[in-house]
Amino acid sequence: NAGVIQTPRHKVTGKGQEATLWCEPISGHSAVFWYRQTIVQGLEFLTYFRNQAPIDDSGMPKERFSAQMPNQSHSTLKIQSTQPQDSAVYLCASSPRDWGYEQYFGPGTRLTVL
Amino acid sequence: GMPVEQNPPALSLYEGAESGLRCNFSTTMKGVQWFQQNHRGRLITLFYLAQGTKENGRLKSTFNSKERYSTLHIKDAQLEDSGTYFCAVEPNNMGYKLTFGTGTSLLVDP
Repeated sequence: NAGVIQTPRHKVTGKGQEATLWCEPISGHSAVFWYRQTIVQGLEFLTYFRNQAPIDDSGMPKERFSAQMPNQSHSTLKIQSTQPQDSAVYLCASSPRDWGYEQYFGPGTRLTVL
Repeated sequence: GMPVEQNPPALSLYEGAESGLRCNFSTTMKGVQWFQQNHRGRLITLFYLAQGTKENGRLKSTFNSKERYSTLHIKDAQLEDSGTYFCAVEPNNMGYKLTFGTGTSLLVDP
């Protein structure tokens, strides 16, 4: 079991460019979550999928951010027209259930927007 | 979201010592999860609790939903225990939406 896999581990983009972050959840886990970590805001929930269906994206900035889960083996977080304030570590987690169980986190993608 | 406060913000221990970390929240919660974030930034799951107490080696955690707190106790501290410890709570109405505490930064010295 390789755990949750995230790629790339580091990404540097210029202001205004697009960034796509990838997550491969643990096989068999039906729930996939995205979080963001910054020094100022700490760890924040972004969005959540259950059995590939988007359930709650209330933590996502309304513009420029989108997340998809085209199949059970991967999810993507896309940020269009990146801004310096998007710089953060983006973390993906998966769990066998929505709640009442551990969420297992990937190593994160550190996004730096210059 | 509802604030989740962790105390102390920072802690320094010598090897072999023990101490407790506390997580306070403002409303009753469905569950709590504890993580260690290591020097590489990886969030390592320590415990999930819906109630009561769990123990794993040198670590022990308690969750009291009614009193709105959880604790993590570390005994016989080792150098590899250094890192930042986060609690994350599951709200009653949206249990999947973990709300993280502010963290406790632990440094274990030889």
